[in-house]
Amino acid sequence: DQQVKQNSPSLSVQEGRISILNCDYTNSMFDYFLWYKKYPAEGPTFLISISSIKDKNEDGRFTVFLNKSAKHLSLHIVPSQPGDSAVYFCAASANFGNEKLTFGTGTRLTIIP
Amino acid sequence: ETGVTQTPRHLVMGMTNKKSLKCEQHLGHNAMYWYKQSAKKPLELMFVYNFKEQTENNSVPSRFSPECPNSSHLFLHLHTLQPEDSALYLCASSQVGAGAPSGDTQYFGPGTRLTVL
Repeated sequence: DQQVKQNSPSLSVQEGRISILNCDYTNSMFDYFLWYKKYPAEGPTFLISISSIKDKNEDGRFTVFLNKSAKHLSLHIVPSQPGDSAVYFCAASANFGNEKLTFGTGTRLTIIP
Repeated sequence: ETGVTQTPRHLVMGMTNKKSLKCEQHLGHNAMYWYKQSAKKPLELMFVYNFKEQTENNSVPSRFSPECPNSSHLFLHLHTLQPEDSALYLCASSQVGAGAPSGDTQYFGPGTRLTVL
């Protein structure tokens, strides 16, 4: 049973528009959420995180929103750039820790020039 | 070298071979991890080492044998693998426990693409 779900395997967005990637989780013990970005032939790299005491965290073009009641988080990228084309993984952990991360299956984002 | 490095980057082996994957982290972290990524599946945590002690083994078959000689190096010894073990194997490291920065994360290596024939 997948505890972290990314239901969209792929997403295409025009350059300059907003990209919205979604993630749902089922484990109510999760209190720390992360987004990773992965290019081909490279390992995942950390992008942004949010703890359950917040509902929004912003870092430049990237904003993560957390809706605890819906057990849903989303990553907004605006404006989208060609270099944002990658696979994005959502991950979650309990106890605000980074030791045991549970990952989703990823969403492949393609930015169309 | 910086960050987390993994060798080899690609490995093809037969089911009767014995091989090892190597991971090295240059970040001064105290925890290291092995993950498996198969096509269309989430990253699966295999093993966790915290201060060189194994703290997690996620029901991984014994044909995968980890070794952590020190906090900077992690190995995954492979023997009598099956074709379904073909996957991308990722190593990661992080700082955990008291003194770890809040909101810190795991840092990944580039992975070893393993093909078992």
